[in-house]
Amino acid sequence: DAGVIQSPRHEVTEMGQEVTLRCKPISGHDYLFWYRQTMMRGLELLIYFNNNVPIDDSGMPEDRFSAKMPNASFSTLKIQPSEPRDSAVYFCASSSGQAVNTEAFFGQGTRLTVV
Amino acid sequence: SQQGEEDPQALSIQEGENATMNCSYKTSINNLQWYRQNSGRGLVHLILIRSNEREKHSGRLRVTLDTSKKSSSLLITASRAADTASYFCATAYFSGSARQLTFGSGTQLTVLP
Repeated sequence: DAGVIQSPRHEVTEMGQEVTLRCKPISGHDYLFWYRQTMMRGLELLIYFNNNVPIDDSGMPEDRFSAKMPNASFSTLKIQPSEPRDSAVYFCASSSGQAVNTEAFFGQGTRLTVV
Repeated sequence: SQQGEEDPQALSIQEGENATMNCSYKTSINNLQWYRQNSGRGLVHLILIRSNEREKHSGRLRVTLDTSKKSSSLLITASRAADTASYFCATAYFSGSARQLTFGSGTQLTVLP
């Protein structure tokens, strides 16, 4: 398996534009997590899904952020409209729910810069 | 909000020395995990210790867990320059379909050749 795949790796956009980040989890994994990493706030859990259903979205900063998982192999995180303070590295991770004590596998991240 | 807090925030040692990083957390956990992140890359899982375990080894890594003190430590023995990275602890709690995996603030380790 190629691991968790995120796209794009880098995104530069202007304030006010819509941004869509994409993630393909490891095949067979039924948990998918979206994290945001900044120097100031570290790694923050934004939302996670189990079997394509959002379980906890309490970390989503505001209504400008939305996430979907239309099927087991694809998820998106959308920011509309984007603001400079959204600049961060966004990570997607997946894990298996077959055993409770398992690790998460991270993608390489999407570095978002909003100017 | 971050569950774990790591200490120290930064650590610089000479190659061959041991590196110890500490993690404290606040609430109940099912397991605690350590991850490594190289600059500009994603996190990579290193080791997992369950809440009923006190110590675990994997190669040059040794992890301890004290649930009464809500703390864990990661020891890297005989460090190498290639160990230079950020290290994060993550606390895991699960109940039903809920799976919380919350990361600490990280320790930046620099191993000087």
